[in-house]
Amino acid sequence: AQTVTQSQPEMSVQEAETVTLSCTYDTSESDYYLFWYKQPPSRQMILVIRQEAYKQQNATENRFSVNFQKAAKSFSLKISDSQLGDAAMYFCAYRSAWGQGGSEKLVFGKGMKLTVNP
Amino acid sequence: KAGVTQTPRYLIKTRGQQVTLSCSPISGHRSVSWYQQTPGQGLQFLFEYFSETQRNKGNFPGRFSGRQFSNSRSEMNVSTLELGDSALYLCASSLAENIQETQYFGPGTRLLVL
Repeated sequence: AQTVTQSQPEMSVQEAETVTLSCTYDTSESDYYLFWYKQPPSRQMILVIRQEAYKQQNATENRFSVNFQKAAKSFSLKISDSQLGDAAMYFCAYRSAWGQGGSEKLVFGKGMKLTVNP
Repeated sequence: KAGVTQTPRYLIKTRGQQVTLSCSPISGHRSVSWYQQTPGQGLQFLFEYFSETQRNKGNFPGRFSGRQFSNSRSEMNVSTLELGDSALYLCASSLAENIQETQYFGPGTRLLVL
């Protein structure tokens, strides 16, 4: 079974600075997807960024980028120019590319609370 | 396009009762998944439906069940509620047309069992 680990339960960053959230995962599969989801106090889970394991290029979405190290099974999220609105819980998630019957089941890490200080 | 909607948003029940939660996916989405979120266990996969068929199920007792209707709307039911069932229940939908689809989450239903 796949597992996702987020070892830092909390982090803080100053507004406008850069912060990196770490995530490691364990799998025997070679083809899969990785995601970072954000959950603000409203509890709405919002997709931040996704990475396909077969792509060597790291995904980027505006101020958000990832550092995907497949051999090390590491998937970190870098937030540049942090904004107050970035304050939230961040979850790393794994999904098999060829899940049972086409399943899209997500396996989540425990999450990390990010505080942005003005 | 409207997002994933979940009803009700908040619910208070007592032990032993049963509850039904509803999830309406984004228009055109055919896959619906359910997750339970608690402070202790985090986010755990409950089950997943595609074209009215359950195609995956998490490690939850039989008190947890679900179904999907022909319009892709899904319901989950929890019978004989226990205190530990207090949680945020999230559903997510996707087009499920190919393996690269992204899941989009609803706002959740917060269930409190007294």
